[in-house]
Amino acid sequence: GAVVSQHPSRVICKSGTSVKIECRSLDFQATTMFWYRQFPKQSLMLMATSNEGSKATYEQGVEKDKFLINHASLTLSTLTVTSAHPEDSSFYICSARAAGYGDTEAFFGQGTRLTVV
Amino acid sequence: GQNIDQPTEMTATEGAIVQINCTYQTSGFNGLFWYQQHAGEAPTFLSYNVLDGLEEKGRFSSFLSRSKGYSYLLLKELQMKDSASYLCAAMDSNYQLIWGAGTKLIIKP
Repeated sequence: GAVVSQHPSRVICKSGTSVKIECRSLDFQATTMFWYRQFPKQSLMLMATSNEGSKATYEQGVEKDKFLINHASLTLSTLTVTSAHPEDSSFYICSARAAGYGDTEAFFGQGTRLTVV
Repeated sequence: GQNIDQPTEMTATEGAIVQINCTYQTSGFNGLFWYQQHAGEAPTFLSYNVLDGLEEKGRFSSFLSRSKGYSYLLLKELQMKDSASYLCAAMDSNYQLIWGAGTKLIIKP
């Protein structure tokens, strides 16, 4: 199957700082990438959908100025959590949909555990 | 609205069989996915059904009934490593995944 690499896997940052999370599709072109967050014992919550070369579409209730998404190429999308606060501590997961897979299966990155102290 | 329902938690015995049910309501339908997720890890793909019927893949099988908006994941010969959360997700007409809250499966020796 296709491989999606997400980095870093864990990050601890101070309150008020920004953190960037990268999501790369290693062996395919990802026309669409999705960013999720997941709180303990809860399901994935879609934050935003990004298409290469265009602005991300954010889900209701997600602050686009706080969670900056850039999808500059067909293999890379980044999520930047700006001015992070302890309540932003969560598990962030990206997934990528590959062109040529019939717009079906999404491949997941390994996830990033963010802890804001 | 769009909705996915699956049980919150199930318990089964090592070596046994367990069936995890999922019902869905979506705007349009482009398939039903099952993912396995171990604590602290990202989900891993298990199965995809878009036509009615049973798809078997080793110890895991997945069933879909589009008319009933119903799917199940069947796990046979349970092993301790199968202890995980199992996420059901339906793809709507916009190819967006609608996620269930997940079923935590506890395997006892």
